[in-house]
Amino acid sequence: KAGVTQTPRYLIKTRGQQVTLSCSPISGHRSVSWYQQTPGQGLQFLFEYFSETQRNKGNFPGRFSGRQFSNSRSEMNVSTLELGDSALYLCASSLGVSGAQETQYFGPGTRLLVL
Amino acid sequence: AQTVTQSQPEMSVQEAETVTLSCTYDTSESDYYLFWYKQPPSRQMILVIRQEAYKQQNATENRFSVNFQKAAKSFSLKISDSQLGDAAMYFCAYRANYGGSQGNLIFGKGTKLSVKP
Repeated sequence: KAGVTQTPRYLIKTRGQQVTLSCSPISGHRSVSWYQQTPGQGLQFLFEYFSETQRNKGNFPGRFSGRQFSNSRSEMNVSTLELGDSALYLCASSLGVSGAQETQYFGPGTRLLVL
Repeated sequence: AQTVTQSQPEMSVQEAETVTLSCTYDTSESDYYLFWYKQPPSRQMILVIRQEAYKQQNATENRFSVNFQKAAKSFSLKISDSQLGDAAMYFCAYRANYGGSQGNLIFGKGTKLSVKP
């Protein structure tokens, strides 16, 4: 079974631009979660999508948004990029139906650099 | 709000020796899971071990075991017979269990483990 894939793997943008990151979950998984990883703040939860609906949201400004398609693939968008948005963005997929015990399978991440 | 604290930013262990990574957490929930994730350099994060809060028995997975002290809100990871491939960042994580739904993972800041040959 193919793992979680994320595209692109690396991205360089300038302040004020917007960016879209993509995540393809493991086949059969309906839940996709997004995390931001930075050296200073560590791993922080952005949002979770399940069956095309946002089920959970972290404490990030409205510039961060996401969506999920009918095939469970998910995208996250960051508008009006700031220098502080430079980070590794990880997505994780799971079945989404068995509660907190479920293993979340992580992708390799997209490394975003904002100049 | 729930928090997870890893007090050891870096640890080092000799190959074949045993090392223990510390983790404490704070929550008012009674039903939750605790996890240890491993993130090797430039590689994907993978689950090492999980512990259900209602289970008193400590979880074990081959060379990895935990010491779960619910009253003390402590969840340490013991790696026995350390191998060079164990070198990685290790993250302790917490997730509340809301029945059919699932809370998000809350991570500690991580412990960087080095293994010396």
